[in-house]
Amino acid sequence: ETGVTQTPRHLVMGMTNKKSLKCEQHLGHNAMYWYKQSAKKPLELMFVYSLEERVENNSVPSRFSPECPNSSHLFLHLHTLQPEDSALYLCASSHSGQSQETQYFGPGTRLLVL
Amino acid sequence: AQKITQTQPGMFVQEKEAVTLDCTYDTSDQSYGLFWYKQPSSGEMIFLIYQGSYDEQNATEGRYSLNFQKARKSANLVISASQLGDSAMYFCAMREYTNAGKSTFGDGTTLTVKP
Repeated sequence: ETGVTQTPRHLVMGMTNKKSLKCEQHLGHNAMYWYKQSAKKPLELMFVYSLEERVENNSVPSRFSPECPNSSHLFLHLHTLQPEDSALYLCASSHSGQSQETQYFGPGTRLLVL
Repeated sequence: AQKITQTQPGMFVQEKEAVTLDCTYDTSDQSYGLFWYKQPSSGEMIFLIYQGSYDEQNATEGRYSLNFQKARKSANLVISASQLGDSAMYFCAMREYTNAGKSTFGDGTTLTVKP
């Protein structure tokens, strides 16, 4: 099993749909992250969870709702998205939230909102 | 001001030659980490190399080395003996101790290796 997995890999949804992105890490890490990568923009940190508690919400619109039921799983619930939300959504994990800890990324979910 | 600056949007290198990808950073923290990631067209971000702010020696990982110049606040990635599979986007990132370890990424450099 690879370190960080994400499902689905590709998702097309309408603006009225509700969907969820799933991330799972098999590295025994305690911190998990959601990033958004839009075309021609740097990676944007969306949410940080450490020991299953949300420690960072980077001014993300409420149509994105994260959930971290345990240290191995992270979800991103999506509802009433906008076309500008189309992007690559990357999940990452690290041993802790400390600066010297490397973040390991999943393969990402490519989201297209029509 | 941007915290991570990658001034080379695109770079070309001949196969088997070495290439340097530039990265400068801005921080007032004494404790921070610097990272390089590779992102192929498939999208996955692959960790390459890490340099801690207190590390006195430059980090090396196989064909990757990090040229860390703390006074200049630069952390350039050197790839030796380039291979066709090295063609990808490369991101420099920083995590600061006082910023709860949150990562800041640069805009990336697209590297193309020519046969």
